[in-house]
Amino acid sequence: DAGVIQSPRHEVTEMGQEVTLRCKPISGHNSLFWYRQTMMRGLELLIYFNNNVPIDDSGMPEDRFSAKMPNASFSTLKIQPSEPRDSAVYFCASSLSGGRPTNYGYTFGSGTRLTVV
Amino acid sequence: QQPVQSPQAVILREGEDAVINCSSSKALYSVHWYRQKHGEAPVFLMILLKGGEQKGHDKISASFNEKKQQSSLYLTASQLSYSGTYFCGTQNNNAGNMLTFGGGTRLMVKP
Repeated sequence: DAGVIQSPRHEVTEMGQEVTLRCKPISGHNSLFWYRQTMMRGLELLIYFNNNVPIDDSGMPEDRFSAKMPNASFSTLKIQPSEPRDSAVYFCASSLSGGRPTNYGYTFGSGTRLTVV
Repeated sequence: QQPVQSPQAVILREGEDAVINCSSSKALYSVHWYRQKHGEAPVFLMILLKGGEQKGHDKISASFNEKKQQSSLYLTASQLSYSGTYFCGTQNNNAGNMLTFGGGTRLMVKP
């Protein structure tokens, strides 16, 4: 099992540009999460999908952020336009769950380090 | 609301023990523990479900007191490989399977 795969590993972009982060969850996992990690705010949940359906996006900072999961093996997080304060490490994680509190841990991808200059 | 972890940081010598605490203001269904090494992703250690169970993973164990809404992670006879930042993630009864992570406890084990 290759684990959760994220791309790119690093992204440097200029303010105002569009950024797209990608994630391939573990096969068979039906829950997918996007987290953002910064020194100031720690690990913040941005959005949570269950069976490809967005369940909770209350953590998405603002309309500049959007996420999709067109099928069980792929998800994207898009920032348009990007701003310097979006600089962070973005993690995708997947888990096995029935949409209720789970007995299974999360498997995190290696993360995308985003720098907006 | 984010669970509160304590201490924020701890330095140990190899072979010493440590306890990391995680406290929530909300009723909990479960508590997860993860370890993150610098520049890497968090790695799942264990999950504790309500019922006050205690679990072990090598020389790392944890307890969960549902009534107090608290969990503690115990590291005994620490090894250099235990260094990293430890996060608790809490799952509330009615919040699906989303985790809210604490601020982390940075652990450094020295020779």
